[in-house]
Amino acid sequence: EDQVTQSPEALRLQEGESSSLNCSYTVSGLRGLFWYRQDPGKGPEFLFTLYSAGEEKEKERLKATLTKKESFLHITAPKPEDSATYLCAVHRGGSEKLVFGKGTKLTVNP
Amino acid sequence: NAGVMQNPRHLVRRRGQEARLRCSPMKGHSHVYWYRQLPEEGLKFMVYLQKENIIDESGMPKERFSAEFPKEGPSILRIQQVVRGDSAAYFCASGAESYGYTFGSGTRLTVV
Repeated sequence: EDQVTQSPEALRLQEGESSSLNCSYTVSGLRGLFWYRQDPGKGPEFLFTLYSAGEEKEKERLKATLTKKESFLHITAPKPEDSATYLCAVHRGGSEKLVFGKGTKLTVNP
Repeated sequence: NAGVMQNPRHLVRRRGQEARLRCSPMKGHSHVYWYRQLPEEGLKFMVYLQKENIIDESGMPKERFSAEFPKEGPSILRIQQVVRGDSAAYFCASGAESYGYTFGSGTRLTVV
């Protein structure tokens, strides 16, 4: 069964304090790994898709990386507006569904 | 979120009533995915539909839950005889892997 585990569950940072979120996964035949951001009371907002080990993608202060067993979302010099829950999901070949982790709740204090 | 429209945003039902949640996918898309987010849980896949067809319903509870996507109009997720455990946020999505799946803002169902 496909599994996604995210850590830590919650993370508090000071503005400007860089850190990383982890997503460990077990899936047979990874087709894609997704990162989403979710604000309270809203739907997930797409950030990145990664397809193969070694791939990296960047968007503003965020950079996502992928290995054969895990993905990291690196946040450089975060701002309070980066506060949100970050979700990781995997897509297995032959399946149409995404399997999500429980997320990491990030709080960035000014 | 832009593109995928869900309504209502909030729905309150008494135990035993029926809940109907609606979803219109992004313009030009003829498929939708439904996910459920229980408190303190991750998003869980429920069902994948194309117009007039259920493609994958492996995540749907066996009883009381059904989904449809008619030729005309939105997709409907129907929950009969709701119980308190059905209280959750229900999200709809459309899109493709290559450019990311777009989620709606969700319907928050509260069963009292």
